[in-house]
Amino acid sequence: TQLLEQSPQFLSIQEGENLTVYCNSSSVFSSLQWYRQEPGEGPVLLVTVVTGGEVKKLKRLTFQFGDARKDSSLHITAAQPGDTGLYLCAGADETSYDKVIFGPGTSLSVIP
Amino acid sequence: EAGVVQSPRYKIIEKKQPVAFWCNPISGHNTLYWYRQNLGQGPELLIRYENEEAVDDSQLPKDRFSAERLKGVDSTLKIQPAELGDSAVYLCASSSNTQFEAFFGQGTRLTVV
Repeated sequence: TQLLEQSPQFLSIQEGENLTVYCNSSSVFSSLQWYRQEPGEGPVLLVTVVTGGEVKKLKRLTFQFGDARKDSSLHITAAQPGDTGLYLCAGADETSYDKVIFGPGTSLSVIP
Repeated sequence: EAGVVQSPRYKIIEKKQPVAFWCNPISGHNTLYWYRQNLGQGPELLIRYENEEAVDDSQLPKDRFSAERLKGVDSTLKIQPAELGDSAVYLCASSSNTQFEAFFGQGTRLTVV
């Protein structure tokens, strides 16, 4: 059974600090997505990574897919209050692209 | 372009009552998903449609949950009868390609009292 773990579960930091959140599994994924979810809203897609070792940057956010395609990280530079939210990773099964599982999420709070 | 639309946004019902949720996916998206999200957890897939066919409903509690996607566009998810443990946010999502990149609606927050 595929399982995605995310760490830390909760993170509270001051505005301007850097942070990294992690997404880990024992399974190999064909692709991995990161979403951000704000209270009362649905998750919003941030990025999709497909190739092992791939690094993608989205302004102050840097996403990395592990070489073995089993894990991923999200690094935020100079966090801002607008970054507050639940960060979810979701992995697509290697044999069935539409079979996707979500991790439990990392709840980030950026304090002004 | 309009995103995924769900209604209602909120629903409070008494246990043992029926409830239905509606989803209108993004135009042209052939894949539609229903997820359930409990507080502090990630979404869990209930059912996935390819056009009008349910291709993955292994996680759908079929004794009380049912879903349909008529004409491969809009979809409804029904619970009958509702139980206290069904309280959660029910999310609908749609995608158009073989690399899962789902677009989510705002969800329906169900409270069963």
